[in-house]
Amino acid sequence: TQLLEQSPQFLSIQEGENLTVYCNSSSVFSSLQWYRQEPGEGPVLLVTVVTGGEVKKLKRLTFQFGDARKDSSLHITAAQPGDTGLYLCAGSGGATNKLIFGTGTLLAVQP
Amino acid sequence: DTGVSQNPRHKITKRGQNVTFRCDPISEHNRLYWYRQTLGQGPEFLTYFQNEAQLEKSRLLSDRFSAERPKGSFSTLEIQRTEQGDSAMYLCASSQQKGWNTEAFFGQGTRLTVV
Repeated sequence: TQLLEQSPQFLSIQEGENLTVYCNSSSVFSSLQWYRQEPGEGPVLLVTVVTGGEVKKLKRLTFQFGDARKDSSLHITAAQPGDTGLYLCAGSGGATNKLIFGTGTLLAVQP
Repeated sequence: DTGVSQNPRHKITKRGQNVTFRCDPISEHNRLYWYRQTLGQGPEFLTYFQNEAQLEKSRLLSDRFSAERPKGSFSTLEIQRTEQGDSAMYLCASSQQKGWNTEAFFGQGTRLTVV
């Protein structure tokens, strides 16, 4: 069974601080995505990584896929209140290539 | 195409009643997923379709849950004899499978409250 564990589960920081969210698994994934979700809405796709060691940047967000394609990280530089939300990693792979989600990291950025 | 659409957005039902939710995916997408989510947690996989074929159903899902995608377009998720533990957000997502890359686009969800 493929499982994705995220850490930390909760994070409350001040505006301007940096943070990193981790997504770990014992399984290898063919691709991994990061989503952000606001209360009462569905998750919104931020990025997809498919190659081991791949790094992608989206403004102040930096995403990295582990060399072995079992883990990923999301780093936010100079966090802003608008970054507040639930961050989710999701991986696909295996025989059926279904998409499974991590446990989630709830981020609160205080002004 | 305006994206994935789910109806209704909210549903309040009495314990023991049956409920049905509908999902209209992005038109050219061949995959459709159903997830269940509780507050602050990641979405839990329920089932998914490739066109009209249901490829997998979570073993955690009781027999009270059933999903269909009769013509490979819209899908319905039915919960029979609802229980209070079924209260959650039910999310639908669709994707166009390209090799191993699965980028899913979500609807706004249906929030179910069982009283």
